[in-house]
Amino acid sequence: QKEVEQDPGPLSVPEGAIVSLNCTYSNSAFQYFMWYRQYSRKGPELLMYTYSSGNKEDGRFTAQVDKSSKYISLFIRDSQPSDSATYLCAIGSGTSYGKLTFGQGTILTVHP
Amino acid sequence: GAGVSQSPSNKVTEKGKDVELRCDPISGHTALYWYRQSLGQGLEFLIYFQGNSAPDKSGLPSDRFSAERTGGSVSTLTIQRTQQEDSAVYLCASSASGGGETQYFGPGTRLLVL
Repeated sequence: QKEVEQDPGPLSVPEGAIVSLNCTYSNSAFQYFMWYRQYSRKGPELLMYTYSSGNKEDGRFTAQVDKSSKYISLFIRDSQPSDSATYLCAIGSGTSYGKLTFGQGTILTVHP
Repeated sequence: GAGVSQSPSNKVTEKGKDVELRCDPISGHTALYWYRQSLGQGLEFLIYFQGNSAPDKSGLPSDRFSAERTGGSVSTLTIQRTQQEDSAVYLCASSASGGGETQYFGPGTRLLVL
């Protein structure tokens, strides 16, 4: 079993839809949680970063962490075609020099 | 300011040849990471540098893989005697000082071993 599991999709939604992306993890030592977006043939770019359980909102994006269930989510409201990308969850432990453990990535397509 | 840069962007090589991949981190960043992204896989950690030393090499898949960092800046990942299973995108990231700080990624080097 991988330390971080993410449904690879692909996920296809119409413009304006609410998108929910999810990851589960197994290691209780994980302390910080990130979502990266990766466009085709580009490097990942950080979207959201949180340390604690609960919700964190940034514009159309909301990151949700439930440490008791070892479950993290990213919600995208009013999705746009420009949101079409691969979304990667990444989780880190405070004892591992910042080494990140990534999910497989979910391929999202938002069609007009 | 300039982000993380990597070269070459693409590399095609024959099985058995050695390759070198280069990473230029963001200026002033002391922490540097190499990851590998294979088709259908997430990013896999390879190695972490703090300055010129590598306290965590636990992700290097075999002794054919090595990396160094000089002057606390540029890093080179070397793969000797390449195999077809080494085909992947090799990504480099840097952060200001390691730990839980944001990692900034380069565009990657796409390696194809024929």
